[in-house]
Amino acid sequence: QAVLTQPSSLSASPGASASLTCTLRSDINVATYNIYWFQQKPGSPPQYLLRYKSDSDKRQGSGVPSRFSGSKAASANAGILLISGLQSDDEADYYCMLWLTNFWVFGGGTKLTVL
Amino acid sequence: QVQLVQSGAEVKKPGASVRVSCKASGYTFTTYDINWVRQATGQGLEWMGWMSPDSGATGYSPNFQGRVTMTRDTSINTAYMELSSLRSDDTAVYYCASNKPNTGDFDFWGQGTLITVSS
Repeated sequence: QAVLTQPSSLSASPGASASLTCTLRSDINVATYNIYWFQQKPGSPPQYLLRYKSDSDKRQGSGVPSRFSGSKAASANAGILLISGLQSDDEADYYCMLWLTNFWVFGGGTKLTVL
Repeated sequence: QVQLVQSGAEVKKPGASVRVSCKASGYTFTTYDINWVRQATGQGLEWMGWMSPDSGATGYSPNFQGRVTMTRDTSINTAYMELSSLRSDDTAVYYCASNKPNTGDFDFWGQGTLITVSS
């Protein structure tokens, strides 16, 4: 079982909200981890979006709009990236990441299509 | 402004080694760690390891242990990643990224370096 599992693709309409999930392997409790999120557009390096551990322990990347926010779904053992007010420019690949003991692990990424 | 500028694309034969450089500017080089992340065409991100430019300490992914070496030259604010025993599946874009120590705040990324391994 992969450490971090993300749906391969997601589609949403302009102006709507999109909820991207990052499900942790069952033996890893999401509550104790910082979940990091990155956005990557074709031909460009990833861009840091945010870190989320709790509502009182989070960090927004410099210049990242507040439309991008993090949360967790404890019952699903998942981290969530919520993008509100979707714009065509939000179409990209999104990756989650966490620190697992001695190394960083990325999720497989979700391709978000805005149409 | 902070910049990480990487060396150019290279083509290597299987079994060879490659060294990619990452030159930092716009901040004090020794205050942020450098991580290396690679991405095969059409695939996801894969973390390779980190290095502290301050102490030279390193940590490598088990997937690359024994094949990767990360070093730095603080006199020219440059980090290096060397990967040995190259295979065709090492063909990928390699990125450096800087972060505050002990965090995953990879705020700044290099432009990427395409390494092609082909006979």
